[in-house]
Order: sequence, then structure tokens, then C-alpha cells
Amino acid sequence: GAGVSQSPSNKVTEKGKDVELRCDPISGHTALYWYRQSLGQGLEFLIYFQGNSAPDKSGLPSDRFSAERTGGSVSTLTIQRTQQEDSAVYLCASSSRRSSGVNEQFFGPGTRLTVL
Amino acid sequence: QKEVEQDPGPLSVPEGAIVSLNCTYSNSAFQYFMWYRQYSRKGPELLMYTYSSGNKEDGRFTAQVDKSSKYISLFIRDSQPSDSATYLCAMNSGGYQKVTFGIGTKLQVIP
Repeated sequence: GAGVSQSPSNKVTEKGKDVELRCDPISGHTALYWYRQSLGQGLEFLIYFQGNSAPDKSGLPSDRFSAERTGGSVSTLTIQRTQQEDSAVYLCASSSRRSSGVNEQFFGPGTRLTVL
Repeated sequence: QKEVEQDPGPLSVPEGAIVSLNCTYSNSAFQYFMWYRQYSRKGPELLMYTYSSGNKEDGRFTAQVDKSSKYISLFIRDSQPSDSATYLCAMNSGGYQKVTFGIGTKLQVIP
């Protein structure tokens, strides 16, 4: 079956512009996560959605970042007034908790964002 | 101090060597411990997981957890060039709680 897809795969933008990144999770997965991965920084948690619960936004670095998940499926991460430090790979993952209880996350290929 | 500490490497080994990758953590609430493998320009993929302390073996891979020391390891036997990737440890307290990742160790296996 189809995995997690993200679009665009690459995005180059100018400082100060807004960008929208899209994530299509695996069908049936109720949990969806956004991460940011920078060189030397590892995977930085941004936000996660679980079913109809309020999202956990504790990882969003500033109020320029927001995300929504419509209809419990597709999610969009929006970065307003982009800064050069926002340049990174943005990864989306959806989750299927195994019967063992482990939270197995399936990752998309990421969106490589470059802010000039 | 980060919740999860992992040496970023890079680690370079000859083909056939035994590789040991490690992480330490500080949060006693962590119960599930995972290892993800990430190839260049790809998203991470789950390699192995363990619950609580002990060992788990899957082919050439062995995951080990020592909760008393807050220390986890991944061993790769008979390493192959195809094992060249970044290995990230990850852990959480269970359920759909957010997963905390290590920075990742970049491994290169030289033919």
C-alpha cells in the first residue's frame, strides 16, 4: 500500500515569504507527527495530532509555525514570514500502534526547505 | 542536557565488523525503545523496538536496554556496506505519546 507522502519534495523561498508543506498519511493511521531535521540537530519534534484530541503543539518553535489536519487525514504545516534558520528538512510521520504497544511511526520522504 | 544523548559519529568500520551503537537517556518514564535507520535523503524507518529492559535479536541486529543505567545499544553483526546509514535511537513512555529521538549516528561500512 501507499506510504506517507509529502509535497513539495523541495521548496526554495525568499526570507519573509509564507510556505505551506503538505503531508498525506497512511490511510487509517490516527496519529500524525511533524518533525524538523537540521544538520547536527537530529529530529526535532514540532507537533502531533491524535484522532479528535487537541494537538500537542509543544514543539513549535515560534508563533510563525502552525499546522492543521483536516478530516483526520491530510495535514498542512504553515510557516509564516520564513527566516533563514527555518531551512531544514521537514518530515511527517503517521503512526500505527502495534498490539505490543509500541508507537511505530512511518515517515514520509520529507520536504527540503531552503530560505534564501 | 538533552533527554536523549547519542554520539553523532561518523563511525567507519570494515565490512564484517561488529558495530555497537549507543544512547543514554534521562527520563525514567521511557518504556519503549526503538532504533530507526535513515538512508541519505530518505525518511527514517523502524528497525527494531524493545519494551523495558533486556535483549532482542533480529537476524544480524540485537537491541539491548539497561533501564537501571538508562542506556540502550544496538549491535550489528557481520556488518555490510548496505548497513551504511544514520541510526537514530528513539523512545517514549507509551501509547501515542511523542517519541524523543537521538541525534543519530552516521555509520559507514567500508567494503
